[in-house]
Amino acid sequence: SQTIHQWPATLVQPVGSPLSLECTVEGTSNPNLYWYRQAAGRGLQLLFYSVGIGQISSEVPQNLSASRPQDRQFILSSKKLLLSDSGFYLCAWSVLSGQGYYGYTFGSGTRLTVV
Amino acid sequence: TQLLEQSPQFLSIQEGENLTVYCNSSSVFSSLQWYRQEPGEGPVLLVTVVTGGEVKKLKRLTFQFGDARKDSSLHITAAQPGDTGLYLCAGRTYSGAGSYQLTFGKGTKLSVIP
Repeated sequence: SQTIHQWPATLVQPVGSPLSLECTVEGTSNPNLYWYRQAAGRGLQLLFYSVGIGQISSEVPQNLSASRPQDRQFILSSKKLLLSDSGFYLCAWSVLSGQGYYGYTFGSGTRLTVV
Repeated sequence: TQLLEQSPQFLSIQEGENLTVYCNSSSVFSSLQWYRQEPGEGPVLLVTVVTGGEVKKLKRLTFQFGDARKDSSLHITAAQPGDTGLYLCAGRTYSGAGSYQLTFGKGTKLSVIP
């Protein structure tokens, strides 16, 4: 079966510290992968997407970076966190739904609080 | 950037009532999806609508895509506490080079009171 794993579930980090969030998928090959951030009242903001190993597209200039070292692994990083980086981070992959169209399957998210 | 406006932003109703939430845009979408998100979890895809004027039913949920494919609505009949959650609409547009972009609205937060 197709699954997506995201960890950690919660994280509290001081300002200026580094960040590494990991997302892995199982049960498929060469998926399109996405990192979203969800801030209260601001909806889902696309941060990065990847169509293959080493291929990263950035949607929003920011303090974050992404990497895809393996086909089913997507990593979100920062060298120095800012207070504004706090939020709910979601990894997703696009998959053909039972209705015949591509939908997104999301991980369970990481709640990041920068203090 | 395509914007999707969802209304109302918050909705609190009694169990058994009916409700409708809306998703509007000035842009045309090739398809539109609805997701439901529970606190502390990622959104879960409910339905995809593709054709202008299309209506899809999922048990007590009825989804409609506008004729011009710019707007959509979600109607819930006889709401239950289990329907509580954040409802997100997302419009899909072709962004070139064989890839698509999915733009999300900010969501409608629904609370169904027993």
